[in-house]
Amino acid sequence: DAMVIQNPRYQVTQFGKPVTLSCSQTLNHNVMYWYQQKSSQAPKLLFHYYDKDFNNEADTPDNFQSRRPNTSFCFLDIRSPGLGDTAMYLCATSQGAGANVLTFGAGSRLTVL
Amino acid sequence: GQSLEQPSEVTAVEGAIVQINCTYQTSGFYGLSWYQQHDGGAPTFLSYNALDGLEETGRFSSFLSRSDSYGYLLLQELQMKDSASYFCAVRDPNTGGFKTIFGAGTRLFVKA
Repeated sequence: DAMVIQNPRYQVTQFGKPVTLSCSQTLNHNVMYWYQQKSSQAPKLLFHYYDKDFNNEADTPDNFQSRRPNTSFCFLDIRSPGLGDTAMYLCATSQGAGANVLTFGAGSRLTVL
Repeated sequence: GQSLEQPSEVTAVEGAIVQINCTYQTSGFYGLSWYQQHDGGAPTFLSYNALDGLEETGRFSSFLSRSDSYGYLLLQELQMKDSASYFCAVRDPNTGGFKTIFGAGTRLFVKA
């Protein structure tokens, strides 16, 4: 089945220790997104890639970066996690700019101690 | 800016019908989507309305009134497994439609 896979599902890190979350997709979608979702809140877009074009949201902290080495993979790097970065990180994909459907991965739950 | 409002919680009994409302404010409009998210899980797409009226998919229906900037999700024959959070969402026209903005979510509790 075509899908979006995120690893790891759970990650515990210490304050300031870099962490990388990965996302892979077999849908061959050209747009990949990273959302941050804190407890009982709506998902909040951090950035997206349209093919190789990177688009950062204005309020995404500089601490958060992303890489997309090919169509199938996308990474979220948090350079110096703070306690406030504890959240679920959701990867999603869509086909094209005007897609009305996002396909999400199961998420990576990050806890910063 | 774009904003969506929906109730924070709704409780209903198994077998009943429940309606989750959503009002939105956008500078442009591509349509209203609904997503379901179980605790600890990923949001999954339920429905999309671009035009006024009712769209039915099995036990779930979604309605849109563009003149009222209002929509709702209707869940019929409620089952315990429908206990989840439900998000309405719109695409932000200022980003060429790339950015999907979600409401804060409505947590549905289904009781036996």
